[in-house]
Amino acid sequence: DAGVTQSPTHLIKTRGQQVTLRCSPKSGHDTVSWYQQALGQGPQFIFQYYEEEERQRGNFPDRFSGHQFPNYSSELNVNALLLGDSALYLCASSFRGLQGVTYEQYFGPGTRLTVT
Amino acid sequence: SQQGEEDPQALSIQEGENATMNCSYKTSINNLQWYRQNSGRGLVHLILIRSNEREKHSGRLRVTLDTSKKSSSLLITASRAADTASYFCATDELSGGSNYKLTFGKGTLLTVNP
Repeated sequence: DAGVTQSPTHLIKTRGQQVTLRCSPKSGHDTVSWYQQALGQGPQFIFQYYEEEERQRGNFPDRFSGHQFPNYSSELNVNALLLGDSALYLCASSFRGLQGVTYEQYFGPGTRLTVT
Repeated sequence: SQQGEEDPQALSIQEGENATMNCSYKTSINNLQWYRQNSGRGLVHLILIRSNEREKHSGRLRVTLDTSKKSSSLLITASRAADTASYFCATDELSGGSNYKLTFGKGTLLTVNP
Protein backbone atom coordinates (compact mmCIF):
# COMPACT_ATOMS: atom_id res chain seq x y z
CA ASP A 1 0.00 0.00 0.00
CA ALA A 2 1.72 3.16 -1.23
CA GLY A 3 1.87 6.01 1.21
CA VAL A 4 1.80 9.69 0.36
CA THR A 5 4.24 10.56 -2.39
CA GLN A 6 5.55 13.97 -3.39
CA SER A 7 7.59 15.24 -6.30
CA PRO A 8 10.11 16.59 -6.81
CA THR A 9 12.27 15.91 -3.76
CA HIS A 10 14.34 19.05 -4.14
CA LEU A 11 13.90 22.15 -6.24
CA ILE A 12 15.94 25.31 -6.74
CA LYS A 13 14.25 28.36 -8.22
CA THR A 14 15.05 32.02 -8.72
CA ARG A 15 13.11 34.93 -7.24
CA GLY A 16 10.11 35.83 -9.36
CA GLN A 17 9.76 32.40 -10.91
CA GLN A 18 6.81 30.06 -10.52
CA VAL A 19 6.85 26.53 -9.12
CA THR A 20 4.50 23.55 -9.10
CA LEU A 21 4.72 20.81 -6.50
CA ARG A 22 2.84 17.53 -6.76
CA CYS A 23 1.32 15.13 -4.29
CA SER A 24 -0.34 11.73 -4.55
CA PRO A 25 -2.39 10.78 -1.49
CA LYS A 26 -2.35 7.49 0.34
CA SER A 27 -4.57 4.88 -1.27
CA GLY A 28 -8.16 5.30 -0.10
CA HIS A 29 -7.72 8.92 0.98
CA ASP A 30 -9.78 11.70 -0.54
CA THR A 31 -8.51 14.85 1.20
CA VAL A 32 -5.18 16.58 0.66
CA SER A 33 -3.69 19.31 2.82
CA TRP A 34 -0.55 21.32 2.16
CA TYR A 35 1.82 22.70 4.78
CA GLN A 36 4.89 24.92 4.66
CA GLN A 37 7.68 24.25 7.13
CA ALA A 38 10.44 26.82 7.51
CA LEU A 39 13.73 25.74 9.03
CA GLY A 40 13.42 25.24 12.77
CA GLN A 41 9.66 25.79 12.78
CA GLY A 42 6.60 23.62 12.86
CA PRO A 43 4.52 23.12 9.72
CA GLN A 44 2.10 25.90 8.81
CA PHE A 45 -1.22 25.06 7.16
CA ILE A 46 -1.58 26.44 3.63
CA PHE A 47 -4.86 24.96 2.39
CA GLN A 48 -6.90 21.80 2.10
CA TYR A 49 -8.64 20.23 -0.89
CA TYR A 50 -11.60 17.89 -0.92
CA GLU A 51 -13.82 17.00 -3.87
CA GLU A 52 -11.57 19.14 -6.09
CA GLU A 53 -12.38 22.30 -4.11
CA GLU A 54 -10.36 24.37 -1.69
CA ARG A 55 -12.17 23.85 1.60
CA GLN A 56 -10.04 25.80 4.04
CA ARG A 57 -7.13 28.15 3.76
CA GLY A 58 -4.44 29.32 6.14
CA ASN A 59 -2.82 32.73 6.29
CA PHE A 60 -1.02 32.59 2.95
CA PRO A 61 -1.21 35.11 0.08
CA ASP A 62 -2.95 34.46 -3.22
CA ARG A 63 0.43 33.66 -4.75
CA PHE A 64 -0.19 30.22 -3.28
CA SER A 65 -2.80 28.28 -5.18
CA GLY A 66 -3.69 24.67 -5.62
CA HIS A 67 -5.67 22.10 -7.44
CA GLN A 68 -7.06 18.66 -6.79
CA PHE A 69 -7.67 16.20 -9.59
CA PRO A 70 -10.42 13.57 -9.91
CA ASN A 71 -7.95 10.89 -8.79
CA TYR A 72 -7.45 12.92 -5.55
CA SER A 73 -3.87 13.91 -6.37
CA SER A 74 -3.02 17.54 -5.86
CA GLU A 75 -0.73 20.33 -6.97
CA LEU A 76 0.56 23.35 -5.10
CA ASN A 77 1.51 26.35 -7.22
CA VAL A 78 3.49 29.32 -5.99
CA ASN A 79 3.86 32.38 -8.21
CA ALA A 80 6.33 35.26 -8.01
CA LEU A 81 8.63 33.38 -5.67
CA LEU A 82 10.25 35.24 -2.80
CA LEU A 83 13.34 34.30 -0.83
CA GLY A 84 11.05 33.71 2.15
CA ASP A 85 9.25 30.95 0.28
CA SER A 86 12.28 28.72 0.79
CA ALA A 87 10.98 25.87 2.95
CA LEU A 88 9.99 22.24 3.12
CA TYR A 89 6.54 21.79 1.59
CA LEU A 90 4.61 18.91 3.04
CA CYS A 91 1.54 17.23 1.68
CA ALA A 92 -0.76 15.30 3.97
CA SER A 93 -3.69 13.08 3.06
CA SER A 94 -6.64 11.84 5.04
CA PHE A 95 -10.01 10.23 4.50
CA ARG A 96 -13.08 12.35 4.95
CA GLY A 97 -15.77 10.47 3.07
CA LEU A 98 -19.45 11.17 3.37
CA GLN A 99 -19.76 10.88 7.13
CA GLY A 100 -17.38 13.63 8.02
CA VAL A 101 -13.76 13.92 8.85
CA THR A 102 -11.20 11.52 10.20
CA TYR A 103 -8.39 13.09 12.08
CA GLU A 104 -5.21 11.22 11.30
CA GLN A 105 -3.26 12.86 8.54
CA TYR A 106 -0.51 10.96 6.78
CA PHE A 107 2.40 13.04 5.54
CA GLY A 108 4.61 12.66 2.52
CA PRO A 109 8.40 13.11 2.61
CA GLY A 110 8.15 16.71 1.45
CA THR A 111 9.65 18.86 -1.27
CA ARG A 112 12.58 21.06 -0.29
CA LEU A 113 12.25 24.36 -2.18
CA THR A 114 15.17 26.76 -2.27
CA VAL A 115 14.65 30.22 -3.74
CA THR A 116 17.80 32.13 -4.68
CA SER B 1 0.23 31.37 13.85
CA GLN B 2 1.45 28.63 16.17
CA GLN B 3 -1.23 27.11 18.37
CA GLY B 4 0.85 24.72 20.40
CA GLU B 5 4.16 25.29 22.08
CA GLU B 6 6.38 22.39 22.99
CA ASP B 7 8.63 22.41 26.00
CA PRO B 8 11.55 21.94 26.18
CA GLN B 9 12.83 23.12 22.80
CA ALA B 10 15.64 20.58 23.04
CA LEU B 11 16.20 17.51 25.18
CA SER B 12 19.27 15.29 25.37
CA ILE B 13 19.17 11.97 27.25
CA GLN B 14 20.97 8.65 27.44
CA GLU B 15 19.66 5.49 25.86
CA GLY B 16 17.33 3.65 28.22
CA GLU B 17 16.15 6.79 29.98
CA ASN B 18 12.64 8.17 29.68
CA ALA B 19 11.90 11.36 27.74
CA THR B 20 9.05 13.69 28.54
CA MET B 21 7.90 16.49 26.27
CA ASN B 22 5.14 18.95 26.98
CA CYS B 23 2.78 20.89 24.77
CA SER B 24 0.56 23.83 25.61
CA TYR B 25 -2.14 25.26 23.38
CA LYS B 26 -4.40 28.27 23.42
CA THR B 27 -7.88 27.46 22.14
CA SER B 28 -10.37 24.68 22.67
CA ILE B 29 -9.66 21.60 20.63
CA ASN B 30 -11.30 18.40 19.48
CA ASN B 31 -8.15 16.33 19.33
CA LEU B 32 -4.43 16.58 19.93
CA GLN B 33 -1.88 14.60 18.00
CA TRP B 34 1.82 13.96 18.31
CA TYR B 35 4.10 13.56 15.31
CA ARG B 36 7.76 12.68 14.87
CA GLN B 37 10.04 14.11 12.19
CA ASN B 38 13.47 12.78 11.32
CA SER B 39 16.05 15.10 9.77
CA GLY B 40 13.59 17.59 8.28
CA ARG B 41 11.68 15.00 6.29
CA GLY B 42 8.05 13.92 6.43
CA LEU B 43 6.12 13.67 9.67
CA VAL B 44 5.17 10.32 11.14
CA HIS B 45 1.90 10.15 13.08
CA LEU B 46 2.48 8.75 16.58
CA ILE B 47 -0.73 9.03 18.53
CA LEU B 48 -4.04 10.89 18.66
CA ILE B 49 -5.87 11.72 21.87
CA ARG B 50 -9.40 13.05 21.83
CA SER B 51 -10.55 15.91 24.03
CA ASN B 52 -12.65 13.57 26.17
CA GLU B 53 -9.69 11.29 26.86
CA ARG B 54 -7.12 11.86 29.58
CA GLU B 55 -4.48 9.29 28.80
CA LYS B 56 -3.52 7.03 25.94
CA HIS B 57 -0.80 4.45 25.40
CA SER B 58 0.85 3.07 22.29
CA GLY B 59 3.84 0.80 22.76
CA ARG B 60 6.52 2.83 24.54
CA LEU B 61 4.50 6.04 24.17
CA ARG B 62 2.20 7.51 26.77
CA VAL B 63 0.24 10.69 26.11
CA THR B 64 -1.77 12.65 28.63
CA LEU B 65 -4.19 15.49 28.00
CA ASP B 66 -5.41 18.09 30.48
CA THR B 67 -8.01 20.26 28.76
CA SER B 68 -8.47 22.45 31.83
CA LYS B 69 -4.81 23.47 31.60
CA LYS B 70 -4.73 23.25 27.80
CA SER B 71 -1.69 21.03 27.94
CA SER B 72 -0.47 17.61 26.90
CA SER B 73 2.60 15.53 27.56
CA LEU B 74 4.34 12.81 25.57
CA LEU B 75 6.38 10.25 27.47
CA ILE B 76 8.75 7.92 25.63
CA THR B 77 9.93 5.12 27.89
CA ALA B 78 13.19 3.18 27.56
CA SER B 79 14.43 5.48 24.81
CA ARG B 80 16.58 4.27 21.96
CA ALA B 81 19.03 6.06 19.69
CA ALA B 82 16.49 5.61 16.89
CA ASP B 83 14.07 7.85 18.83
CA THR B 84 16.31 10.83 18.02
CA ALA B 85 14.03 13.20 16.11
CA SER B 86 11.90 16.32 16.41
CA TYR B 87 8.54 15.82 18.08
CA PHE B 88 5.57 18.05 17.36
CA CYS B 89 2.16 18.37 18.91
CA ALA B 90 -0.67 19.37 16.61
CA THR B 91 -4.16 20.50 17.48
CA ASP B 92 -7.18 20.46 15.26
CA GLU B 93 -9.34 23.42 14.49
CA LEU B 94 -12.77 22.39 13.39
CA SER B 95 -14.53 25.04 11.42
CA GLY B 96 -17.21 25.29 8.75
CA GLY B 97 -18.72 21.91 9.52
CA SER B 98 -16.32 19.07 8.82
CA ASN B 99 -13.44 21.04 7.41
CA TYR B 100 -10.34 20.41 9.37
CA LYS B 101 -6.73 21.53 9.62
CA LEU B 102 -3.82 20.91 11.97
CA THR B 103 -1.96 23.63 13.84
CA PHE B 104 1.55 22.67 14.93
CA GLY B 105 3.91 23.87 17.62
CA LYS B 106 7.59 24.53 17.02
CA GLY B 107 8.65 21.10 18.23
CA THR B 108 11.04 19.51 20.69
CA LEU B 109 14.35 18.20 19.36
CA LEU B 110 15.11 14.95 21.20
CA THR B 111 18.60 13.51 21.09
CA VAL B 112 19.14 10.04 22.53
CA ASN B 113 22.79 9.30 23.09
CA PRO B 114 23.93 5.67 22.81
